[in-house]
Amino acid sequence: GAVVSQHPSWVICKSGTSVKIECRSLDFQATTMFWYRQFPKQSLMLMATSNEGSKATYEQGVEKDKFLINHASLTLSTLTVTSAHPEDSSFYICSATGGTGVYEQYFGPGTRLTVT
Amino acid sequence: RKEVEQDPGPFNVPEGATVAFNCTYSNSASQSFFWYRQDCRKEPKLLMSVYSSGNEDGRFTAQLNRASQYISLLIRDSKLSDSATYLCVVLTVRAGKLIFGQGTELSVKP
Repeated sequence: GAVVSQHPSWVICKSGTSVKIECRSLDFQATTMFWYRQFPKQSLMLMATSNEGSKATYEQGVEKDKFLINHASLTLSTLTVTSAHPEDSSFYICSATGGTGVYEQYFGPGTRLTVT
Repeated sequence: RKEVEQDPGPFNVPEGATVAFNCTYSNSASQSFFWYRQDCRKEPKLLMSVYSSGNEDGRFTAQLNRASQYISLLIRDSKLSDSATYLCVVLTVRAGKLIFGQGTELSVKP
C-alpha cells in the first residue's frame, strides 16, 4: 500500500516552454502533498506544501508564479514549471501523506526535467 | 549554517566493513529524526526512524543524542547492495516539514 506515482518520469523541453508534472496517490487519499527539488549532489529542498482544495504554501525563495501547484483532488497534485529555463533542470520529487501528518510521507519516483 | 549537516563522503569501504555516518542538526526544537536511503536517480526511501534510546534493525543501528544535536547510523557487515546515499532527515512538527541533509554517499566494493 501507500504508493505514489509521478508522471512523466523524465522530460526534456525547450527553454521558454511550460512543463506539467503529475503526482498521484494510488491507494490512499492524500490530504497533503509536498513538492521537492533536488540538484545533483545536493539535498532535497522543499518547494511547497499543498493541501487538497486550498492554495499551496511556498517555501521562501520559491516563485509561486513560476511553479504553479494545483491540488484539485485527494489523489492528484500537479506542478507546472512555467517558462522553463536551463537552471530549472533538476529532479522533482513529490510526496504525500494520508492523514498521519507530516511524519509519514510516501515519495513518488521523481521526475527528471532537462531544459535545453 | 545548514539546518542538517552530513559528511558528503564518499565513503569507499570493502564488503564486510563497518561504517558509521554522522549528522548534526541546528534546530533544538526538532522532534523526529530519520535515516533515508536514496539510490542514484531514485526517490528517497525510509530506512529507519531514530529514537533517543537508540534502535537497531538487523545490521543497522541508529543513535540520537539530543543534548549534542547529533544523529548517527552504523552499518555492520556492509553488503554491495548497501551502496547508496544515506540521508539524515529531521522533522520539526511546528514547521510541518522534513529537512534533509545533503546525504552521505557510500560505495561498498567487493
